[in-house]
Amino acid sequence: SQKIEQNSEALNIQEGKTATLTCNYTNYSPAYLQWYRQDPGRGPVFLLLIRENEKEKRKERLKVTFDTTLKQSLFHITASQPADSATYLCAPFGNEKLTFGTGTRLTIIP
Amino acid sequence: ETGVTQTPRHLVMGMTNKKSLKCEQHLGHNAMYWYKQSAKKPLELMFVYNFKEQTENNSVPSRFSPECPNSSHLFLHLHTLQPEDSALYLCASSQDLSSGPNTGELFFGEGSRLTVL
Repeated sequence: SQKIEQNSEALNIQEGKTATLTCNYTNYSPAYLQWYRQDPGRGPVFLLLIRENEKEKRKERLKVTFDTTLKQSLFHITASQPADSATYLCAPFGNEKLTFGTGTRLTIIP
Repeated sequence: ETGVTQTPRHLVMGMTNKKSLKCEQHLGHNAMYWYKQSAKKPLELMFVYNFKEQTENNSVPSRFSPECPNSSHLFLHLHTLQPEDSALYLCASSQDLSSGPNTGELFFGEGSRLTVL
């Protein structure tokens, strides 16, 4: 069955540094992959979508890569700020389903 | 404000109670979803409606009963729940199934935090 793993459950990064979150998937080939941000007690908010034929996508300080050979997506936040602290969810779409990972809780330390 | 409103935000109920969760979207979307989010577990898709018709029921127990009277409103009726049903219930919407999850984003509400005693 298809499986999604997001690197660590929690990640602490110093303010100003680049935060890199990993999403690995197995047993299927997603047509695209979405990333969402979720704050405590709130619903997820869509950030970016990257398709299988796109290597990289950028939006302001966010960058997402999609490596179909490695079956992996990387999510980068450059010049990180304390306001970037949240849980980030990856959601590959494949086999007609959007499946969410458990998320990585990112904390940016001032 | 995401354009998807859920009420109530918090609900505590006993196992014999009957209650309902409500979701309303103001985005002109045609697809609506119920998700369950438990601690340390990924979002679990429960039900999908497209143009008011249920298109997916992910083996959800019958104590959860969805209702979609029109494309803007979605309900989740709850009865004789179990303590393990305590979770954050999230409603989401997208354009429709031909363009929603296939190409676009989900718009989530803030969720209803349910506690079953």
